[in-house]
Amino acid sequence: AQSVTQLGSHVSVSEGALVLLRCNYSSSVPPYLFWYVQYPNQGLQLLLKYTTGATLVKGINGFEAEFKKSETSFHLTKPSAHMSDAAEYFCAVSAANAGGTSYGKLTFGQGTILTVHP
Amino acid sequence: NAGVTQTPKFQVLKTGQSMTLQCAQDMNHEYMSWYRQDPGMGLRLIHYSVGAGITDQGEVPNGYNVSRSTTEDFPLRLLSAAPSQTSVYFCASSQLTGYTEAFFGQGTRLTVV
Repeated sequence: AQSVTQLGSHVSVSEGALVLLRCNYSSSVPPYLFWYVQYPNQGLQLLLKYTTGATLVKGINGFEAEFKKSETSFHLTKPSAHMSDAAEYFCAVSAANAGGTSYGKLTFGQGTILTVHP
Repeated sequence: NAGVTQTPKFQVLKTGQSMTLQCAQDMNHEYMSWYRQDPGMGLRLIHYSVGAGITDQGEVPNGYNVSRSTTEDFPLRLLSAAPSQTSVYFCASSQLTGYTEAFFGQGTRLTVV
């Protein structure tokens, strides 16, 4: 069984400030981890993903996340927030199957709404 | 590339009515799924399919039916709509192999009155 906890349903930052969105997961098998972004009245768009290899993952729009197995965390960061980053962000986990790959059966966190103030 | 297409975008139903939410993808993905999104609860898996003729239940399947007769299409049926089914519904697809991610449609906002 898998689960995802996103700490903080709302995060507010000033433009230019550091963005930190927290995600902790639980998985009985090696996880594949994802961050998705949802702009108002839109579908979900992939920001970045961790599968194997390097634990620091870079995504689109200047975001990155670090997989920390010992802490079961996959926090999302961006050094300098922009007004266009205002959106809802979802962390998700997918378990590797027996063949070592994965498919899109995702378990999502509850989401974090990011507000960026001028 | 159309990706994942959902119709309709908006729908209002009366309690007890039935309807079908359509989902089509043009990426030849084997895996397709339906999620519902409710405030503060993230996305929860309703049903999924790993190929034509194969479907299975997710976390919240009650009140919904699915079928998969082709690779491209994965409709979601509400048999007798209830106010608790007021939600935003997302269809997603992905490959079954490789380090893949899910691709999402734009969503269907359903209100049951």
